[in-house]
Amino acid sequence: AQTVTQSQPEMSVQEAETVTLSCTYDTSESDYYLFWYKQPPSRQMILVIRQEAYKQQNATENRFSVNFQKAAKSFSLKISDSQLGDAAMYFCAYRRGNDMRFGAGTRLTVKP
Amino acid sequence: NAGVTQTPKFQVLKTGQSMTLQCAQDMNHNSMYWYRQDPGMGLRLIYYSASEGTTDKGEVPNGYNVSRLNKREFSLRLESAAPSQTSVYFCATARQMNTGELFFGEGSRLTVL
Repeated sequence: AQTVTQSQPEMSVQEAETVTLSCTYDTSESDYYLFWYKQPPSRQMILVIRQEAYKQQNATENRFSVNFQKAAKSFSLKISDSQLGDAAMYFCAYRRGNDMRFGAGTRLTVKP
Repeated sequence: NAGVTQTPKFQVLKTGQSMTLQCAQDMNHNSMYWYRQDPGMGLRLIYYSASEGTTDKGEVPNGYNVSRLNKREFSLRLESAAPSQTSVYFCATARQMNTGELFFGEGSRLTVL
């Protein structure tokens, strides 16, 4: 079974600064998808960014970007120019077919 | 456009009682999922339905049953609730089984006393 590990239970960042959240995963497959989801206190799961494993180029969505290292099975999320509204739980997820696994999450605090 | 709608949002049960969580989507997606979220454990898949008429077990199916009523609706039933089933439950959908992201409902908080 594939596992997803987020080694940072909590992180904090100063407003306007940059923070990187770590994620590693275990798989023997070569074709899969990776995601970062944000869960604010409202509990809603919101997709932040996605990465197809066959694409070498790192995905970017405005202030959010990833560092995808396929050989190292690493998928980190970088948030630039952090805003108060970025405070939330962040979940890394791996998907192949009907198997979608989530990490335990990283709680991000943004300090004004 | 409501997306994925779960009912109820909150429920308190006594041990041994039964209940059904309802999920409906208006996104015309083929695949639907039920997850549970527990502190420190992320989301774990209970059951999924690749398409109307099919259901399969996920990582933690024990104590649950599901019904894919039609393309829009996918319900999760607890026949005899246990305190270990206290959790937040999420319904999710995907356009297809093998690709793309999941779209989530707002979650249902269930407490079993």
